[in-house]
Amino acid sequence: GAGVSQSPRYKVAKRGQDVALRCDPISGHVSLFWYQQALGQGPEFLTYFQNEAQLDKSGLPSDRFFAERPEGSVSTLKIQRTQQEDSAVYLCASGDLGARQFFGPGTRLTVL
Amino acid sequence: GDSVTQMEGPVTLSEEAFLTINCTYTATGYPSLFWYVQYPGEGLQLLLKATKADDKGSNKGFEATYRKETTSFHLEKGSVQVSDSAVYFCALSDQSRGTSYGKLTFGQGTILTVHP
Repeated sequence: GAGVSQSPRYKVAKRGQDVALRCDPISGHVSLFWYQQALGQGPEFLTYFQNEAQLDKSGLPSDRFFAERPEGSVSTLKIQRTQQEDSAVYLCASGDLGARQFFGPGTRLTVL
Repeated sequence: GDSVTQMEGPVTLSEEAFLTINCTYTATGYPSLFWYVQYPGEGLQLLLKATKADDKGSNKGFEATYRKETTSFHLEKGSVQVSDSAVYFCALSDQSRGTSYGKLTFGQGTILTVHP
């Protein structure tokens, strides 16, 4: 079956632009996570959804970062007024409650 | 807060050599421990896991034992292959606290290159 998909796979933005990154989780998965992976580092937690409820957004680095999952399936991570330090790979993962997380391929964001 | 520390890489080995990648952790509760692997051009995949002390996780010839006394979860393989070349991440998930949904805390990753 289909795994977690993310789009776009690559995004180049000029500093100050807004971007939107999409995650399509595995159908039926309740949990959805966003992680940020800087070059040469491990992924770092950004936010967590259980169905449509955002239960933890403690990892979002600033109020320029916003995530939503309005119908409990597809999720969008939005970054407003992008800065160079936002350049990273953004990973989405989905899973059943408390169970294994399946990761998507990531979106590589480059802010010029 | 929770943290994971991996041995610094990169690690370069010849085929059939023995592999050890060290991982230690800090957690206030009773975490589950994981090794994830990222092959070139692919997403993160779960390699193995252990959920309590003294458990051994194993998969594809890789093994790791949850050592609570040393807060470690070192990854080992007796004979590596060229196809094992990848980035390996140690991670933990502390589900013993109120936030029991499985958020992962990762180490910085170790690049493994295996030469023929």
